[in-house]
Amino acid sequence: EAGVAQSPRYKIIEKRQSVAFWCNPISGHATLYWYQQILGQGPKLLIQFQNNGVVDDSQLPKDRFSAERLKGVDSTLKIQPAKLEDSAVYLCASSLLGGASSVAEQYFGPGTRLTVT
Amino acid sequence: EDKVVQSPLSLVVHEGDTVTLNCSYEVTNFRSLLWYKQEKKAPTFLFMLTSSGIEKKSGRLSSILDKKELFSILNITATQTGDSAIYLCAVAGPRNKLVFGAGTILRVKS
Repeated sequence: EAGVAQSPRYKIIEKRQSVAFWCNPISGHATLYWYQQILGQGPKLLIQFQNNGVVDDSQLPKDRFSAERLKGVDSTLKIQPAKLEDSAVYLCASSLLGGASSVAEQYFGPGTRLTVT
Repeated sequence: EDKVVQSPLSLVVHEGDTVTLNCSYEVTNFRSLLWYKQEKKAPTFLFMLTSSGIEKKSGRLSSILDKKELFSILNITATQTGDSAIYLCAVAGPRNKLVFGAGTILRVKS
């Protein structure tokens, strides 16, 4: 079974530039998550999709971050404009379930390491 | 605010030692507790615990949950250098939303 795919693996940009990350979840997984992991911290959920609908985006800085999951499969996360504090690893994960009463392990992709200079 | 606290923050042991990693939590509407191992970048799933007092075991790793005292432990026996990693604890609430702790950095010396 293929895992969660992400690209690019590394990205270096200057502040105020824009950047986009792509994620393809495990086939058949309805729920997709984007996390931000700053060095020395655990991953923090930015946004959760179930199929192509947003379930939770309460921690997404909406003035600069946006995400979409058209057609309920792959997803893109965009930052525009980037700030120095956005330097982090951006992890995508997917799970089979994710409804209000379900629990399911999340499978993570390799992540994208973003450096903002 | 939901909170997950792991201890110790880091530790160094020698091969063959046994280690115990701790995770305490304050989360509304608890659904499950998960342990992940993070090497390089992607966290890999270890265990999911939903019931108190039932030990989950996989090889040299085991974990148990105490829902009354709101904590979990992860034990690794006969440690090997390949166990060196960051161990992340996360708690799942409604809609499978995970709240992670900061992790424990384990280094196993040969």
